[in-house]
Amino acid sequence: EPEVTQTPSHQVTQMGQEVILRCVPISNHLYFYWYRQILGQKVEFLVSFYNNEISEKSEIFDDQFSVERPDGSNFTLKIRSTKLEDSAMYFCASRDTLATNEKLFFGSGTQLSVL
Amino acid sequence: SQELEQSPQSLIVQEGKNLTINCTSSKTLYGLYWYKQKYGEGLIFLMMLQKGGEEKSHEKITAKLDEKKQQSSLHITASQPSHAGIYLCGADSNSGYALNFGKGTSLLVTP
Repeated sequence: EPEVTQTPSHQVTQMGQEVILRCVPISNHLYFYWYRQILGQKVEFLVSFYNNEISEKSEIFDDQFSVERPDGSNFTLKIRSTKLEDSAMYFCASRDTLATNEKLFFGSGTQLSVL
Repeated sequence: SQELEQSPQSLIVQEGKNLTINCTSSKTLYGLYWYKQKYGEGLIFLMMLQKGGEEKSHEKITAKLDEKKQQSSLHITASQPSHAGIYLCGADSNSGYALNFGKGTSLLVTP
């Protein structure tokens, strides 16, 4: 089965530094997502991206966050100035269509630790 | 926004026992997704239910959506250690762009 690939699997950074989390969605998919999961908490939606623009974002996705599809294959999440509370597992996902029977495919996640 | 409540929050069962996890929505569900997350890993799709009264099975896991489309259950028959993990139910957001998830049910299967 096709896979969503995320790199790196672990990222450690100092508070205030910028980080970029990278994802390669499934090649023919059109909708891309970032979710995060703080340790012990629920999987929370951050942002969805379609046709080179944000289609929906949650209140978590503030000005410190940005997403980009710099080329035909990569999808990135940038955190401009990391805070301790940004420490979490970040999941990328992609989807072929918005049909209600169309599942999201998730990557294995990037564990971000902010020190 | 739609809220998904899962119960129980956690479950410990002995290998071979049956178990049920529930997911209740505050609004009508137009698509209900079940995912499994192994600890520290990504989400694996299990099943998707759309129609009231629908039931789907895969191996020893059966998921049902009630007639009113506000509650779903996931039933595991003869549980095995490989069933351990966090089970998440998800539903499409109002805009349809995103899936929102419940808090999950943590399952541990003991020998």
